[in-house]
Amino acid sequence: NAGVTQTPKFQVLKTGQSMTLQCAQDMNHNSMYWYRQDPGMGLRLIYYSASEGTTDKGEVPNGYNVSRLNKREFSLRLESAAPSQTSVYFCASRPGQGPSNTEAFFGQGTRLTVV
Amino acid sequence: QQQVKQSPQSLIVQKGGISIINCAYENTAFDYFPWYQQFPGKGPALLIAIRPDVSEKKEGRFTISFNKSAKQFSLHIMDSQPGDSATYFCAATRRGYSGAGSYQLTFGKGTKLSVIP
Repeated sequence: NAGVTQTPKFQVLKTGQSMTLQCAQDMNHNSMYWYRQDPGMGLRLIYYSASEGTTDKGEVPNGYNVSRLNKREFSLRLESAAPSQTSVYFCASRPGQGPSNTEAFFGQGTRLTVV
Repeated sequence: QQQVKQSPQSLIVQKGGISIINCAYENTAFDYFPWYQQFPGKGPALLIAIRPDVSEKKEGRFTISFNKSAKQFSLHIMDSQPGDSATYFCAATRRGYSGAGSYQLTFGKGTKLSVIP
């Protein structure tokens, strides 16, 4: 069972460079999420998508864009990377059928360093 | 603005002891309260969850206590083991902005638990 797969696992960028973080899930889930995790800050929601074709901003969307390419894939793009975007990024998915079905499944994370 | 407040930030417990982690929230729109466990280098994984119409839920050594009027909930780990050493996150879910099926999942800042032999 692959679950939620994120690529790449590690990335170093120079300030101003752009890149796309990829996420794919094979559980036929409707909802997908992007979080960033920083020491002492917990997991902060960047963007989420309730279904194919819809996206919503979370707590910290500035500097990021997302695309829900299809039901399986949800990508996160940094157009002009900044050192403040150095973080571990997690993608998650959940069935999205209601609050009683709230288990979110997380990928292994992408560790991004912007120098 | 932190929507889910979690304490303590770190916790050291002896093997066999009880670990207690507390969380509080303000937004009454939250309608489901899961706890996630994260080991180093891994993504978080669901540990246990509770609905706000239930005051307590127990699964093995893990218990959630929920106080709706106080808007507080806590995780108790009985007979703590070294293998429980991990970071624990409380979380809360509320409806998002894209209609049916759209839910935001908001996390606390996490508690790093160390269980010493």
